[in-house]
Amino acid sequence: AQKVTQAQTEISVVEKEDVTLDCVYETRDTTYYLFWYKQPPSGELVFLIRRNSFDEQNEISGRYSWNFQKSTSSFNFTITASQVVDSAVYFCALRRAGANSKLTFGKGITLSVRP
Amino acid sequence: SAVISQKPSRDICQRGTSLTIQCQVDSQVTMMFWYRQQPGQSLTLIATANQGSEATYESGFVIDKFPISRPNLTFSTLTVSNMSPEDSSIYLCSVLFPSGVYEQYFGPGTRLTVT
Repeated sequence: AQKVTQAQTEISVVEKEDVTLDCVYETRDTTYYLFWYKQPPSGELVFLIRRNSFDEQNEISGRYSWNFQKSTSSFNFTITASQVVDSAVYFCALRRAGANSKLTFGKGITLSVRP
Repeated sequence: SAVISQKPSRDICQRGTSLTIQCQVDSQVTMMFWYRQQPGQSLTLIATANQGSEATYESGFVIDKFPISRPNLTFSTLTVSNMSPEDSSIYLCSVLFPSGVYEQYFGPGTRLTVT
């Protein structure tokens, strides 16, 4: 069975602080895919990143960076110099390979960035 | 990615009535899914909408309560039948594209309140 754990439920930071959102996953598959989604107050789920299990390179996109470590089964997300617009619920998700596979979501982390 | 639209964006309905939610994509997709997100919770997969055949429902969801149609590769509907206040949720349509990289995108959601 697959499982995604986001142990942090709510995080509050002041604007311009850096913040890391943790994600730990469980799977017995050797090939799988990890995702992060952002859900602002409007409710839409915005795709942020996909990472393949065979690619452990970290990724940076502007103020966002992701640290994938298979040794600890973690896929953490860091926002540098946070902004009020970053306030949202962030979901980590896992999918096994295969056309009929399904996304397994974590419970989400509510991030509040105060001005 | 492509543009995914949902109608209605929100609705307030009385218990015992039914609501049909539409999902339209501006390009052909491999798979379409329907999710429910109850207040403050993560996403739960209701069913996979199969083109030209009956939807595949997840445990705990039945066709009589959540009938789904998918007449073509770009359109699907979800009906929430005989509604009760417990059905108050955000309902999200989600799609996979034929590119096969397992990136799943979500529509803007339908925010349903049942009184």
